[in-house]
Amino acid sequence: DAGVTQSPTHLIKTRGQHVTLRCSPISGHKSVSWYQQVLGQGPQFIFQYYEKEERGRGNFPDRFSARQFPNYSSELNVNALLLGDSALYLCASSPSDRGRVGANVLTFGAGSRLTVL
Amino acid sequence: DAKTTQPPSMDCAEGRAANLPCNHSTISGNEYVYWYRQIHSQGPQYIIHGLKNNETNEMASLIITEDRKSSTLILPHATLRDTAVYYCIVRAGANNLFFGTGTRLTVIP
Repeated sequence: DAGVTQSPTHLIKTRGQHVTLRCSPISGHKSVSWYQQVLGQGPQFIFQYYEKEERGRGNFPDRFSARQFPNYSSELNVNALLLGDSALYLCASSPSDRGRVGANVLTFGAGSRLTVL
Repeated sequence: DAKTTQPPSMDCAEGRAANLPCNHSTISGNEYVYWYRQIHSQGPQYIIHGLKNNETNEMASLIITEDRKSSTLILPHATLRDTAVYYCIVRAGANNLFFGTGTRLTVIP
């Protein structure tokens, strides 16, 4: 089975531009989460979507938005890019929203590395 | 979420057991302990999780103290491919994990 796939793997943008990152979850997984990982730090939670609805949002500005499609794939959009948005953007999927107790294991993709110049 | 404290770095000789500690003294009764690792430039990889009892799978063992205020991840026979950053996370339900900065484990030949 294919794991979580993300595209593009690498991209370079300039300040003020917009970027769209894409994620396909593991087949059968209905929940998708997005994380930002700045160099030298652990991943930080951005969004979680389940059944096309936003179920959680981290401490990120409104320039960050996301959506989930009927096939459970997801897009992360970032507007008006800043230099500080340069990071590895990770997508993770899981079977459900909260899952059975103790069963909330996330499977991560390899990430999309964004460089803002 | 309960906060966790991990040493920033550890070394382990290849073939020996790697014991990675985690302190989570404010953990509440329904919170699980999860361990993930991240090999350089890859996405985090799930290792193991537990609530009260010790757990073992094909990758590692998780030892949780009786008061649940700390835990230890054990890699029984560390290999060079186990060199990674290891994250200890305490969370009840939901999918927004707080990773912290983790422990950088270096396995030495």
